[in-house]
Amino acid sequence: GENVEQHPSTLSVQEGDSAVIKCTYSDSASNYFPWYKQELGKRPQLIIDIRSNVGEKKDQRIAVTLNKTAKHFSLHITETQPEDSAVYFCAASRTGGYNKLIFGAGTRLAVHP
Amino acid sequence: GAVVSQHPSWVICKSGTSVKIECRSLDFQATTMFWYRQFPKQSLMLMATSNEGSKATYEQGVEKDKFLINHASLTLSTLTVTSAHPEDSSFYICSARATGRNEQFFGPGTRLTVL
Repeated sequence: GENVEQHPSTLSVQEGDSAVIKCTYSDSASNYFPWYKQELGKRPQLIIDIRSNVGEKKDQRIAVTLNKTAKHFSLHITETQPEDSAVYFCAASRTGGYNKLIFGAGTRLAVHP
Repeated sequence: GAVVSQHPSWVICKSGTSVKIECRSLDFQATTMFWYRQFPKQSLMLMATSNEGSKATYEQGVEKDKFLINHASLTLSTLTVTSAHPEDSSFYICSARATGRNEQFFGPGTRLTVL
């Protein structure tokens, strides 16, 4: 079945450094790729998403890149801050109808002051 | 915009009782809602896809008679955990997708503890 692999499972960086989280998906028909941030005990929050018709999207300190040929997509956070500490989930889905998101296992990011 | 509420936020019940969780999209119409459960330090596990006006689609291994889903309107879906047991204790989260859109927005979750 469809599968999304996410690496690394944990990531520790110093404040101000960059953080990169990578995901690989198996369903070549996937064309929607969101990223969620989840703080402890809270709901996942959509932070950025990308569709297959673009290769990169930026929103301030956050960027996502997509390589459809390789079926890879990545989240880049620059100038990390302690409040960026959370668990980040990537996901992939087809669009339209009742298509479901397939989630990665998550990356626990810790940003140290 | 795109606010999803969930009620209750936490519930403690005795083994054998049933618990109903509500998921509401407050400012948009959601043709499709999704129910997930999440164990500590794990990812979101999709339980079922709830479609307004039709039967829910359950993921493999999820008992439809135990986890009853009703999506009676474009803004409300309910999940009832029937005859709850301690192993059903978990964090249950719903999400909603607006008609014609790709984005899913999550509710705040319901922490269920079965004694």
